[in-house]
Amino acid sequence: QQPVQSPQAVILREGEDAVINCSSSKALYSVHWYRQKHGEAPVFLMILLKGGEQKGHEKISASFNEKKQQSSLYLTASQLSYSGTYFCGTDASGSARQLTFGSGTQLTVLP
Amino acid sequence: GAVVSQHPSRVICKSGTSVKIECRSLDFQATTMFWYRQFPKKSLMLMATSNEGSKATYEQGVEKDKFLINHASLTLSTLTVTSAHPEDSSFYICSAADSAGTYEQYFGPGTRLTVT
Repeated sequence: QQPVQSPQAVILREGEDAVINCSSSKALYSVHWYRQKHGEAPVFLMILLKGGEQKGHEKISASFNEKKQQSSLYLTASQLSYSGTYFCGTDASGSARQLTFGSGTQLTVLP
Repeated sequence: GAVVSQHPSRVICKSGTSVKIECRSLDFQATTMFWYRQFPKKSLMLMATSNEGSKATYEQGVEKDKFLINHASLTLSTLTVTSAHPEDSSFYICSAADSAGTYEQYFGPGTRLTVT
């Protein structure tokens, strides 16, 4: 089942902060975050593993609440280059690295 | 970071013909590759998981005889859309997981297929 992302869209001014949420109905082993610009492939941002390990972009932070099966991506002091669609991918199997992607959050950063 | 390439980036074909899309991991080995389909302004829909040296695992609703997947080496997986129809027009994206044991998936740049 597809994880639910919120909000669906957000518009910011440069320098403002944003939070994107991802919620799953299944127990998760990991949550992966990607950003996709129009017509391009998704770019890996961050992975959060069960147990607290994180790997990812130094300017982007995220949290993973294993009990609630929720993850949030924090974008601080947003830059124009942050614009794009953000997807969370959830791994409920823990083995094959199969990801189920959320519907996406469209982020627009204005000057 | 790891690089995954796809070829071609764009292809236009006539209805009834077959199209092959290649996905290569350029600087790492990938025992597992994934094929996704994405409609405009929609999420990535997993079509199949491609395992090196074995048959691909298809998601429910994906016709394995229509979307043929071959993963002949640790760096190459191919998706062949057979007897393509206009409804097969879409953005097809592959991703590869590093066999070294890390969890990241790296996506190729995608292939825009248009069937006329």
